[in-house]
Amino acid sequence: EVQLLESGGGSAQPGGSLRLSCAASGFTLSSYVMTWVRQAPGKGLEWVSDISGSGRADYAASVKGRFIISRDNSQNMLFLEMNNLRADDAGTYFCAKGFYENSHDWFDSWGQGALVTVSS
Amino acid sequence: DIQMTQSPSSVSASVGDRVTITCRASQNVRGRLAWYQQKPGKAPKLLIHAASTLQSGVPSRFSGSGSGTDFTLTINNLQPEDYATYYCQQANNFPFTFGQGTRLDI
Repeated sequence: EVQLLESGGGSAQPGGSLRLSCAASGFTLSSYVMTWVRQAPGKGLEWVSDISGSGRADYAASVKGRFIISRDNSQNMLFLEMNNLRADDAGTYFCAKGFYENSHDWFDSWGQGALVTVSS
Repeated sequence: DIQMTQSPSSVSASVGDRVTITCRASQNVRGRLAWYQQKPGKAPKLLIHAASTLQSGVPSRFSGSGSGTDFTLTINNLQPEDYATYYCQQANNFPFTFGQGTRLDI
């Protein structure tokens, strides 16, 4: 059974940093594109960043230059380092698994989400 | 970026009803579209992928259709557990984008 478990959420001040982790199990992490999707309180879903099995990363324009996605396939872990946080970065961050091996498409498994608050 | 526009934004329906939600893309996304269901406080759940393929384990009362720029999600014989918010997502062009969501309630 595929499981994704996020951790590392919490509170930060504007300009601060947080690092999210996502522990994966039940599948071979290195074979799949992994993605972070966020949801501001009461709002819709927003694609944030993804990373291929080989480590190629893509970012939404709103986070490019501030967030860094990475993965440790040997430890079955996905990470999102968030720097220079802004108020509009607040929300729930989900890690999600790609549907097909080595392909960018839809997401068939999601974590439960990690809550990030940004406030002075 | 490709804009995904869902309609309606909210809909009220009763158990046993049929509900149709539409999703329109600002550019051609071919058949690379998915539908998700999200309940309050929970992660989204994949219902439909490739516009019309039912995800494993999803009840057959859910169906999807469309290609190019216009897509629909239909729920037949609405059940109490179907009350949720539904999102479409295009996976044809980066950045992948979601519709704003359609809330389905009683």
